[in-house]
Amino acid sequence: AQKITQTQPGMFVQEKEAVTLDCTYDTSDQSYGLFWYKQPSSGEMIFLIYQGSYDEQNATEGRYSLNFQKARKSANLVISASQLGDSAMYFCAMREGTEGGKLIFGQGTELSVKP
Amino acid sequence: KAGVTQTPRYLIKTRGQQVTLSCSPISGHRSVSWYQQTPGQGLQFLFEYFSETQRNKGNFPGRFSGRQFSNSRSEMNVSTLELGDSALYLCASSSGQERRSGNTIYFGEGSWLTVV
Repeated sequence: AQKITQTQPGMFVQEKEAVTLDCTYDTSDQSYGLFWYKQPSSGEMIFLIYQGSYDEQNATEGRYSLNFQKARKSANLVISASQLGDSAMYFCAMREGTEGGKLIFGQGTELSVKP
Repeated sequence: KAGVTQTPRYLIKTRGQQVTLSCSPISGHRSVSWYQQTPGQGLQFLFEYFSETQRNKGNFPGRFSGRQFSNSRSEMNVSTLELGDSALYLCASSSGQERRSGNTIYFGEGSWLTVV
């Protein structure tokens, strides 16, 4: 069965430093997609980055990059040069296949950026 | 390009009542999915609609239902509300079809439902 595991309930990082948020997944499918979302206290789920299972290059979007290690089934999010506005909950999610809108989410990591 | 729009943002209902939440997807997107988020259970998938048909369904009781209109707008309904239905309900929009660049899923701001 599909499963997403985020082992860090909470993390602290100093402003301007880089931080890595861990995510491991379990699936028997060969084709799947991995997503990272940011959720501030307002509740909105903000899309950050996407990695397809067949993508050979690690995904990058501005200050966000995804460290995709397929054999280890991990998809860690790296945020470079942390900003105070990065303080939020971060969720890793997986979709089996490439079409549907069904995501399985991890429990999330609460990131706090210190000035 | 407008994002995913959910209405209402906040609402309070009484146990036993029913509620309808609305979601307008990103223009051109044909897939709308709904999720329930609670502190205890986290984010759970309710159902997905694609081209007015339910394509996927989560493990929720029949009190939770949805539909999609020809313009891809979607509504979800919860009947006979229970205290445990208090949650953030999130709507997600995507093309619903495989794309070379990836079929990204975007969320709206959510509807906060409180059942008293």
